[in-house]
Amino acid sequence: SAVISQKPSRDICQRGTSLTIQCQVDSQVTMMFWYRQQPGQSLTLIATANQGSEATYESGFVIDKFPISRPNLTFSTLTVSNMSPEDSSIYLCSVEEITEEQYFGPGTRLTVT
Amino acid sequence: SQQGEEDPQALSIQEGENATMNCSYKTSINNLQWYRQNSGRGLVHLILIRSNEREKHSGRLRVTLDTSKKSSSLLITASRAADTASYFCASLNDYKLSFGAGTTVTVRA
Repeated sequence: SAVISQKPSRDICQRGTSLTIQCQVDSQVTMMFWYRQQPGQSLTLIATANQGSEATYESGFVIDKFPISRPNLTFSTLTVSNMSPEDSSIYLCSVEEITEEQYFGPGTRLTVT
Repeated sequence: SQQGEEDPQALSIQEGENATMNCSYKTSINNLQWYRQNSGRGLVHLILIRSNEREKHSGRLRVTLDTSKKSSSLLITASRAADTASYFCASLNDYKLSFGAGTTVTVRA
């Protein structure tokens, strides 16, 4: 299975600032995904990021708040913009393999004060 | 978006006992995947069962799928303290995973 790394692993940020989270995969993948896990909750899909096209956002998530880049087949970034305490969550990227199994990175734990 | 429910929400068992948790989903699926999460860390992929499969085994894990009832179950046999974690089911439809609410399992020594 793909090995996925994320940076940073955690961060504490002030409200009103932005944080960019990086996701690196050790193999080329077509589809990458970004999820949010709010405290004590399950995972919610934010957007799907395919290389060479604009990210596709799920209901409730917008590009101005969560801009995503996908410059190549092994890398993606998610920016959380103009943060508020409600953005405090774990953010995870995932990839889908040809078997349809989806594997997740270790997550980025974000705290907004 | 979340579309599934899991029960129970929490489960406490003695080491060596079996743990069973159930998952329901709402739409048609390509497959259903189970994950484990330890203390808010990343998700570990456990097993995938396809929509045309009814049962699958992997080590101490047994997964069933009933597409007529839109439900799945995960059985962990001979549980160990290291199995203490949250378990999530996720149904795949058109490349999107929809997660259940999760079951928190505590294995007592």
